[in-house]
Amino acid sequence: GEDVEQSLFLSVREGDSSVINCTYTDSSSTYLYWYKQEPGAGLQLLTYIFSNMDMKQDQRLTVLLNKKDKHLSLRIADTQTGDSAIYFCAEGFNDYKLSFGAGTTVTVRA
Amino acid sequence: DTGVSQDPRHKITKRGQNVTFRCDPISEHNRLYWYRQTLGQGPEFLTYFQNEAQLEKSRLLSDRFSAERPKGSFSTLEIQRTEQGDSAMYLCASSFPETYRQYFGPGTRLTVT
Repeated sequence: GEDVEQSLFLSVREGDSSVINCTYTDSSSTYLYWYKQEPGAGLQLLTYIFSNMDMKQDQRLTVLLNKKDKHLSLRIADTQTGDSAIYFCAEGFNDYKLSFGAGTTVTVRA
Repeated sequence: DTGVSQDPRHKITKRGQNVTFRCDPISEHNRLYWYRQTLGQGPEFLTYFQNEAQLEKSRLLSDRFSAERPKGSFSTLEIQRTEQGDSAMYLCASSFPETYRQYFGPGTRLTVT
């Protein structure tokens, strides 16, 4: 089965690091993704990691994957007001469809 | 702009009416996906196409829903006899052949009154 869970809210001060966590249950996932959604908009692919990797860094973003615990995290360094959005964790499978969590609303305060 | 586009962006309809949405994928993307997103939830997979072939349909896609991609380019999603429970954001995504990166359009927000 496919079940992705995320905490619902995160508040962070501008300039600090944000860490968004996600757990999933299906170990057959091929890739794991982080998407960003701003109000009224579609989803923007931020980054992704292959399931046999444990870390990926892309500018201010760092993805950590603990496959044993089925835990995925996204760290945003130097969080800015423009990072305020909903962040979705998603699992991808060999049939290419994605299974999403309910999203974490990140609020950046000055 | 070469991103995924969807039309219309917003649709308000009365219960019982039929609606049709259109998605234009990124050119050369042979896979096209439809998802539905309700308030406070993540997107849920509905169906996907490889070229013009519809390869998988979710159990969420009742017989009132039909999707087509007749020439392997744009796709349409039709909902017949709409119900209030159909109110949601309908998202389309596309991907290159044999890659795992899906790029989403801005969505069509449907409100059924």
